[in-house]
Parts: sequence; structure tokens; C-alpha cells
Amino acid sequence: GNSVTQMEGPVTLSEEAFLTINCTYTATGYPSLFWYVQYPGEGLQLLLKATKADDKGSNKGFEATYRKETTSFHLEKGSVQVSDSAVYFCALSGSGQAGTALIFGKGTTLSVSS
Amino acid sequence: DAGVIQSPRHEVTEMGQEVTLRCKPISGHNSLFWYRQTMMRGLELLIYFNNNVPIDDSGMPEDRFSAKMPNASFSTLKIQPSEPRDSAVYFCASSIRTGNNSPLHFGNGTRLTVT
Repeated sequence: GNSVTQMEGPVTLSEEAFLTINCTYTATGYPSLFWYVQYPGEGLQLLLKATKADDKGSNKGFEATYRKETTSFHLEKGSVQVSDSAVYFCALSGSGQAGTALIFGKGTTLSVSS
Repeated sequence: DAGVIQSPRHEVTEMGQEVTLRCKPISGHNSLFWYRQTMMRGLELLIYFNNNVPIDDSGMPEDRFSAKMPNASFSTLKIQPSEPRDSAVYFCASSIRTGNNSPLHFGNGTRLTVT
């Protein structure tokens, strides 16, 4: 079945460092891919998405490119801030069939220090 | 918009008691999802509804768990009887439709502790 694998955390960085969080997936068909972010005590929020191969999702300085050849959707940011400290989840949805929910990776905790 | 509203935010109960978690989805959204989050297993989909009809409940761990959606603006997740291993954060989420591109909007969750 469909699944998502994320790199294990925690990831600890200094402010202004470059961030990469790896995500790979297994899926049939052509899923859409998402990154969600969870701040302490809150629910998940959509960060960015890509719906087809070679699409690049971007938001708040974060980017991820849908790579079908490597089945990957790595999250990157050129210069992280303390306020980016959170848990990041990679997710995928089914290939257009009605009634398909999102499947999430286990999450990667990012901690940014000043 | 108020977003997805869950209640209570925190619930502490004793083993064997009945627990009911509540969710109000975003108005106009026709898909609703219940997830459970634990350190060990991450985010697990328990059940989801489309137009108030349960579509997939294969993630519901046991018969002790049940979920209902009597109308488009309300859903409940019930655990009876509760056990310590049910302790987790339970999230409700809604989307405007299920399918490939619809993002989920999450509530702030209910943190359940069963002693």
C-alpha cells in the first residue's frame, strides 16, 4: 500500500543554517504530495503541496519538488529561523479516487537555536 | 472562519470509563477525518466520512472505538471502555472534498490521558 518515509529527527540547527528534511514515498498511480507543520500544542497546518511530477511547492521560504523518478519530496529552506522550530510531516494522497485520505510520515522535529 | 473546533482540549479519565470526543468541521467542508497521534506510531488515520457517511473505518483499532457524524456540522469519536493504551492526542480534520488535491484543515486536538 501507500506509505511515506521521513528522515528521523530531531534536526538541530543554528539560525540561518540550510535545512533539508528528506521524504520518500511508495504509491500506486499519481499521488499528490504535501508538507504539513505542527507547532507545539496545535494541529497540523498545510505548509506546501505539489500535485504532479516536477511541480515545486513553496511557502514561507520552504520549497519541495515532486521527483517521480526518485519518489521523493524533500523539504528545503535556505535560512532557517528560530520560529521555524516545529514538527514537519510529509504526506501523500491517493491518485484521484474519491474517498482517499492523507497518509502521513512519522514527522521530523526541527529545533533552531539563535 | 473559526476553523475546525474540537472539544475538550484535555481529557483525563480512569480506565473503564466512556470517553466522547467532539468535532465541528469547517462550514462547507464535506469530508471529515479522525486521526490519532502517539510518539510510537505517529499519526494514524482512524476513520473518515464523506458527506456524513463513513467511508473507511479500517483504522479503528478495536470495537471499543466508534465514530458518528449525525450531520454536516458535528462528529463524535467514542471509546468505551477506555484503556491506558488509548492515551494519545486525537485530531479531527476536515476538507472541502476528498481526492487528490484537497488539503486537510486540522483542529487543535484533544489530549486524552487514561489512568
